[in-house]
Amino acid sequence: GENVEQHPSTLSVQEGDSAVIKCTYSDSASNYFPWYKQELGKRPQLIIDIRSNVGEKKDQRIAVTLNKTAKHFSLHITETQPEDSAVYFCASITGGFKTIFGAGTRLFVKA
Amino acid sequence: GAVVSQHPSRVICKSGTSVKIECRSLDFQATTMFWYRQFPKQSLMLMATSNEGSKATYEQGVEKDKFLINHASLTLSTLTVTSAHPEDSSFYICSAREPARGNEQFFGPGTRLTVL
Repeated sequence: GENVEQHPSTLSVQEGDSAVIKCTYSDSASNYFPWYKQELGKRPQLIIDIRSNVGEKKDQRIAVTLNKTAKHFSLHITETQPEDSAVYFCASITGGFKTIFGAGTRLFVKA
Repeated sequence: GAVVSQHPSRVICKSGTSVKIECRSLDFQATTMFWYRQFPKQSLMLMATSNEGSKATYEQGVEKDKFLINHASLTLSTLTVTSAHPEDSSFYICSAREPARGNEQFFGPGTRLTVL
């Protein structure tokens, strides 16, 4: 079945450093790849997304890259701040709008 | 725009009772809604896809007779956990898709269910 693998499960960085989270998906029909930030007990918040016809997208300190051939996509956060600390989920969505989430990455940004 | 609400936000019930959770799209019509379950420190697991006016599509391993889903209108989907047991305690989150916005899903705030 469809699967999304996400690494690492935990990431600790110093404030100001960059953080990179990587995901791999299995369903070649996936065409939309959102990234969510979730704080404890809250709903997931969309932070950036990328469609399958694009290789890279950037929004201020956040960027996402997609390699369709390898079925890899990555989240890059630069100049990290303590308020970036949260759990981040990647996801892939097929044409049928079914969303498969990665296992999540718990990011700690140390001041 | 694109606001999704859920009610209740928290519920505590006794084992064996049924609990209904509502998911509403407040400012758009949602042809498709999704129900997820999230256990502590785990990811969101899709339970079922709910389409207005038709039967829900359940993911493998999700019992349709235990988790009843009704999508009676374009703005409301309900999830009923029947004969709840402690192992059903979890964070239940719905999301809704607005066709005009493509693939993006809008999440409700979630419902924390605790079964004693």
